Amino acid sequence: KQEVTQIPAALSVPEGENLVLNCSFTDSAIYNLQWFRQDPGKGLTSLLLIQSSQREQTSGRLNASLDKSSGRSTLYIAASQPGDSATYLCAVPSGGSNYKLTFGKGTLLTVNP
Amino acid sequence: DAGVTQSPTHLIKTRGQQVTLRCSPISGHKSVSWYQQVLGQGPQFIFQYYEKEERGRGNFPDRFSARQFPNYSSELNVNALLLGDSALYLCATGENGDSPLHFGNGTRLTVT
Repeated sequence: KQEVTQIPAALSVPEGENLVLNCSFTDSAIYNLQWFRQDPGKGLTSLLLIQSSQREQTSGRLNASLDKSSGRSTLYIAASQPGDSATYLCAVPSGGSNYKLTFGKGTLLTVNP
Repeated sequence: DAGVTQSPTHLIKTRGQQVTLRCSPISGHKSVSWYQQVLGQGPQFIFQYYEKEERGRGNFPDRFSARQFPNYSSELNVNALLLGDSALYLCATGENGDSPLHFGNGTRLTVT
């Protein structure tokens, strides 16, 4: 059974700092990994999707890496801003199906002005 | 184009009652997946519907059921509500049965 763990559970940083969020998964037989952002009481916004054949994906100030062999992914946020404050979730497909995602519990990020 | 829309946004029910939640997919999307997110946890897969058929189901009791309509919208039904059913229910849609998901803003269900 696939399990996804995210560390740390919460993170508070001053504005402008670079930061790294971590995600690990137990079954390395995945074909992609996705990072989502969730604002309080809201749905999920997809940030980056990394295919298993890729090692990283970039979108603006966000960079996600994937190391299948070690079962790890990182989300790097450069020059953090207060608007980045949210919960960040990583998810992997289970059973080879994109629609059946297994999520971590998320990292609650607070960026202080 | 409108995103995934869910209704209602909030709902309060009493233990033992039944509830119906609704989801309208992005235009052109044919699959609908439902997830339950309990406070402080990541979302958990309930089931997926594609072309009006259930294609996969998570570890949820038979009190949870759904259906998909010819216009690809979907309803999630939960019978005999328990306090533990209090959660954010997320609908996610995809172009086909295995494409990446786009999530709605969810329905917050509170069972008292």
